[in-house]
Amino acid sequence: EAQVTQNPRYLITVTGKKLTVTCSQNMNHEYMSWYRQDPGLGLRQIYYSMNVEVTDKGDVPEGYKVSRKEKRNFPLILESPSPNQTSLYFCASSLYPEEGTEAFFGQGTRLTVV
Amino acid sequence: AQKVTQAQTEISVVEKEDVTLDCVYETRDTTYYLFWYKQPPSGELVFLIRRNSFDEQNEISGRYSWNFQKSTSSFNFTITASQVVDSAVYFCALSESGPRNQFYFGTGTSLTVIP
Repeated sequence: EAQVTQNPRYLITVTGKKLTVTCSQNMNHEYMSWYRQDPGLGLRQIYYSMNVEVTDKGDVPEGYKVSRKEKRNFPLILESPSPNQTSLYFCASSLYPEEGTEAFFGQGTRLTVV
Repeated sequence: AQKVTQAQTEISVVEKEDVTLDCVYETRDTTYYLFWYKQPPSGELVFLIRRNSFDEQNEISGRYSWNFQKSTSSFNFTITASQVVDSAVYFCALSESGPRNQFYFGTGTSLTVIP
């Protein structure tokens, strides 16, 4: 089954404790991205990657890092999480971004930073 | 700059009523793509439809229909004979052509269908 898999689904952590949210897709998509969803703001792009070893900032990259060492994986790293990073996070992948193909989203990761 | 506006924050309808969710977008690009996604209470994002800027044909899929009008920069979504399972948050999104493929999402419309 074609899918984007995120882990964990739920995470509660304390301020300053590094964490990684994993994302993996099995569709051989070159394009992957991360979004955060906050009430009243919709989804906003954090980082994106057009291919292995190619990543770039989205609209809200502060406090986040990503890496793309393999095509299928695109982890999101919070080096020192803060309460304002409490949010619902989505990983997404697309087949032909230049042609506007739809994005496939993971199940979401609900992160709470206390 | 791209922007998507979903002015309706919350809508409640009684089962079997028709409901239209509004979406207005802004873009300077001549080539762009519009999408609707559904987010049920379980939280995942489910793709519903994609439209490119050169295709203004309306589309119907079962009880769902979409009306794309470039003249008014709108891409509205109608559910006919609504059902309780339609209760969800619906997002309209815009992406431009090019490698960045960033999706600009509206703030979503929460639809509640009352039995």
